[in-house]
Amino acid sequence: DQQVKQNSPSLSVQEGRISILNCDYTNSMFDYFLWYKKYPAEGPTFLISISSIKDKNEDGRFTVFLNKSAKHLSLHIVPSQPGDSAVYFCAASGADSWGKFQFGAGTQVVVTP
Amino acid sequence: DVKVTQSSRYLVKRTGEKVFLECVQDMDHENMFWYRQDPGLGLRLIYFSYDVKMKEKGDIPEGYSVSREKKERFSLILESASTNQTSMYLCASTLGTGKTQYFGPGTRLLVL
Repeated sequence: DQQVKQNSPSLSVQEGRISILNCDYTNSMFDYFLWYKKYPAEGPTFLISISSIKDKNEDGRFTVFLNKSAKHLSLHIVPSQPGDSAVYFCAASGADSWGKFQFGAGTQVVVTP
Repeated sequence: DVKVTQSSRYLVKRTGEKVFLECVQDMDHENMFWYRQDPGLGLRLIYFSYDVKMKEKGDIPEGYSVSREKKERFSLILESASTNQTSMYLCASTLGTGKTQYFGPGTRLLVL
């Protein structure tokens, strides 16, 4: 059973608007979360991360929010740009799982002009 | 700049063949990983290694084996390829206790 779920397989957003990607997890031992971005024919690349001691982390246009009680995190992209069109994966790891990450199924984002 | 390379971008093999997928990283990373990516399932960990000659099973090791004879190289072996092993295979590495994984471009394997 998947411990990390991204329930929206796709998201379409207009250029300049906000993209919100959601991720839910079931394992309460997870304490570190990352988002990766993947273009076709390329491997995933690291985007942003958050530790469970925080509830928000920001890097330029990208902000990740963590709600531990709800076991939910979200990635906000503001403003969205055409180059943001990619598949986004959420990943989670726990102190008991050394370096091993559970990945979600991914969300395909399409930014339209 | 970390670079992770994979030996092939595309492979076509027949059922029952032995398949070798190779991964090389150039940043002296201790830890290396093999994943497969399938639609609707995301990335699933097959095997990982935290040192030369060390290996640990991931979530879906059945039908696969690995080899790590040198620090920079991690090989994934399909002993007898089957059609359900048709997938995108991704290699990744991390430094020590680092959390950020650096991925290779992937190998798309088709087993006929």
